[in-house]
Amino acid sequence: GAVVSQHPSWVICKSGTSVKIECRSLDFQATTMFWYRQFPKQSLMLMATSNEGSKATYEQGVEKDKFLINHASLTLSTLTVTSAHPEDSSFYICSARDRAGRADTQYFGPGTRLTVL
Amino acid sequence: GESVGLHLPTLSVQEGDNSIINCAYSNSASDYFIWYKQESGKGPQFIIDIRSNMDKRQGQRVTVLLNKTVKHLSLQIAATQPGDSAVYFCAARSGSARQLTFGSGTQLTVLP
Repeated sequence: GAVVSQHPSWVICKSGTSVKIECRSLDFQATTMFWYRQFPKQSLMLMATSNEGSKATYEQGVEKDKFLINHASLTLSTLTVTSAHPEDSSFYICSARDRAGRADTQYFGPGTRLTVL
Repeated sequence: GESVGLHLPTLSVQEGDNSIINCAYSNSASDYFIWYKQESGKGPQFIIDIRSNMDKRQGQRVTVLLNKTVKHLSLQIAATQPGDSAVYFCAARSGSARQLTFGSGTQLTVLP
């Protein structure tokens, strides 16, 4: 089946630093990737939709200057949390839509646990 | 906009019993629904999906029922096993956008 990886799986950083999270589709090409954030015991909240070669579309309330998304290739999207603060601590999950597969299907990555001290 | 909710935040069942997890959605234009399983510290795992032109779909030990009249769907797990313990989310997609809206999740605990 289609596999999506994320790196790193967890990261701890100091307040004010920037953190980059990678999302890769390993065995398929993804024209669209999605970034979600999940706080403890809560649901997944869509942050942005990333299309290869174009600017990401951010959901209402998500700061585009704080959460930088780059989708430079069909297999890689990155999320950079700039000037991270403790309130940004969360579980970040990406998903990818297979370019050649069913348009409905999203394959999820394993998530990245971000802790900001 | 779309909102998706679950009736019960937690559900405990005896091993071997059947489990039923419910979900309500608000947008009658939603045309595609998915159930995901999420274990602690992991990403969501696809379980089963259903399109709005169907009212029932079966997989291995799982069945999804869709009632468009009352905008409700359910996930039935047969012969629940300890490995089924996880949080279950429903997600809905409206016809005009391809993004998924997730419900709040139900924690399923399987008792020995």
